[in-house]
Amino acid sequence: EAGVAQSPRYKIIEKRQSVAFWCNPISGHATLYWYQQILGQGPKLLIQFQNNGVVDDSQLPKDRFSAERLKGVDSTLKIQPAKLEDSAVYLCASSWGQGSNEQFFGPGTRLTVL
Amino acid sequence: AQKITQTQPGMFVQEKEAVTLDCTYDTSDQSYGLFWYKQPSSGEMIFLIYQGSYDEQNATEGRYSLNFQKARKSANLVISASQLGDSAMYFCAMSFRRGDKIIFGKGTRLHILP
Repeated sequence: EAGVAQSPRYKIIEKRQSVAFWCNPISGHATLYWYQQILGQGPKLLIQFQNNGVVDDSQLPKDRFSAERLKGVDSTLKIQPAKLEDSAVYLCASSWGQGSNEQFFGPGTRLTVL
Repeated sequence: AQKITQTQPGMFVQEKEAVTLDCTYDTSDQSYGLFWYKQPSSGEMIFLIYQGSYDEQNATEGRYSLNFQKARKSANLVISASQLGDSAMYFCAMSFRRGDKIIFGKGTRLHILP
């Protein structure tokens, strides 16, 4: 079984530029999550999708961050414009659905904003 | 408010010894799940073990066991016979089944010494 795929693995941009991350969850997983992990901290949920609908985006900075999962499969997370404090690892995870015990994580995208 | 607390920022343990990583949580929900994840230096989050709030038996997975004390709101991870490959960050996390939202603690960095 293929795992959660993410690209790119690394990205370096200057502040005020835009950036997009892509995630392809495990086949058949209905729920998809984007987490932000700042160095030295645990991951923080940014947004959760159930199929192509948003379940929770309460911690997503909506003035600069956006995410979509149009066909209920893969997803993109965009930052526009980026700030220095956005430097972090962005982790995508998926699970079978609400109530599922386990979330499977991708390798992450490490973003550096200069 | 829901919260996960890991009070040990770092631990050094001799190879082959048992390790206990502390985790306390705070929630008013009756139904919840507790997880432990391992994050090696490569960055991926690896699921280790899960305990549901209504599970009467402590969860075990190979060398990992979860010491669940509901009254004390404690969910410590025990690793028996530690190995050099156990060196990593360990995160305690909590989910809420009705919404499947998951929150993480700040992590404990475990160093296994030869």
